[in-house]
Amino acid sequence: KAGVTQTPRYLIKTRGQQVTLSCSPISGHRSVSWYQQTPGQGLQFLFEYFSETQRNKGNFPGRFSGRQFSNSRSEMNVSTLELGDSALYLCASSITGQATLKAKNIQYFGAGTRLSVL
Amino acid sequence: DAKTTQPPSMDCAEGRAANLPCNHSTISGNEYVYWYRQIHSQGPQYIIHGLKNNETNEMASLIITEDRKSSTLILPHATLRDTAVYYCIVRVAFNRDDKIIFGKGTRLHILP
Repeated sequence: KAGVTQTPRYLIKTRGQQVTLSCSPISGHRSVSWYQQTPGQGLQFLFEYFSETQRNKGNFPGRFSGRQFSNSRSEMNVSTLELGDSALYLCASSITGQATLKAKNIQYFGAGTRLSVL
Repeated sequence: DAKTTQPPSMDCAEGRAANLPCNHSTISGNEYVYWYRQIHSQGPQYIIHGLKNNETNEMASLIITEDRKSSTLILPHATLRDTAVYYCIVRVAFNRDDKIIFGKGTRLHILP
């Protein structure tokens, strides 16, 4: 079974630009979560989507947005990029919503997209 | 804020057992203890989880104290590939909320 796939793996942008990152979850998983990882703040939760609806949101400004498609694939968008947005962006999928004793709410992470803002 | 406390770093000799402690004194009755690890520049990887009984899988063992206020992750025969940051997390297993609050974790160095 294929894992969580994130594209692109690396991205370089300049301040003021916008960027879109993509995440394909494990087949059958309906929940997709996004995290930002920086050396200073560590791993921080951005938002979670389930059945095309945002179900949970972290403490990030409105420049950070996302969406989920009917096939559970998700995209994350950051507008008006700032230097501080340079980070590793991680996507995770889980089977939540159909939770079973076997599944037990385990999240599976992709390799991430490393964004550098110059 | 994270509900767990872990030492910032630990060393372990290759081939020895690595024992990683975690304190979670405010854990609720329906919260499980999960462990993930993150090898440099990769996404976190699920290792193991448990409620109150000790658990073992092909990667590790998890020992949870009787009062559930602390736990220990055991890597029985550490290798250089086990060098990573290990995160201990408490959360409800059957929940509609998939949000994980990560702490700073323990950076484990396996020494050759």
